[in-house]
Amino acid sequence: LAKTTQPISMDSYEGQEVNITCSHNNIATNDYITWYQQFPSQGPRFIIQGYKTKVTNEVASLFIPADRKSSTLSLPRVSLSDTAVYYCLVGDMDSSYKLIFGSGTRLLVRP
Amino acid sequence: GAGVSQSPSNKVTEKGKDVELRCDPISGHTALYWYRQSLGQGLEFLIYFQGNSAPDKSGLPSDRFSAERTGGSVSTLTIQRTQQEDSAVYLCASSLGGQGMTGELFFGEGSRLTVL
Repeated sequence: LAKTTQPISMDSYEGQEVNITCSHNNIATNDYITWYQQFPSQGPRFIIQGYKTKVTNEVASLFIPADRKSSTLSLPRVSLSDTAVYYCLVGDMDSSYKLIFGSGTRLLVRP
Repeated sequence: GAGVSQSPSNKVTEKGKDVELRCDPISGHTALYWYRQSLGQGLEFLIYFQGNSAPDKSGLPSDRFSAERTGGSVSTLTIQRTQQEDSAVYLCASSLGGQGMTGELFFGEGSRLTVL
């Protein structure tokens, strides 16, 4: 089964760049890497998805090395509203394509 | 509707009672997922439906849990003889699905279950 490992928590300050790394040693060839953000009392929300190298959208960048055994979510110039839990998600090794969420990283952005 | 709809948003029940939680996925989404999230914890996978294929039930914690998806759309998660440890937020998500790809999941707001 695919398994992800993330830091439990991170602290940052407004305006700083935040990088959250996820390890996924058993990622399968056809699996994509997806990151989600979750605020309290809400369902998770999609942030970004990638397969390899680098992906950038209006809110974040995703860096994936050639071996794809890890990925790094980069949030530029965070604000207080970025305080949330961030989940790294990869496709499961089984053919059923079951999705397994990691433990999540609780990001706290301070003024 | 525009998004994934779940009902009820809150459910308080007594230990031993059965409960049903409903999920209306986004129209046209073939994949549907149920997750459970206990207070302060991550998401725990429960079950996955993809089109007309047999569901992946490997995440269901016990035989008291079951789920159906009728007509490839609406899904119902049923918990029989509820226990206090079943108290959690039950989240439903849907996606376009597709073999070999982790598609973007669209989550509902969840159903908060409290078992007294």
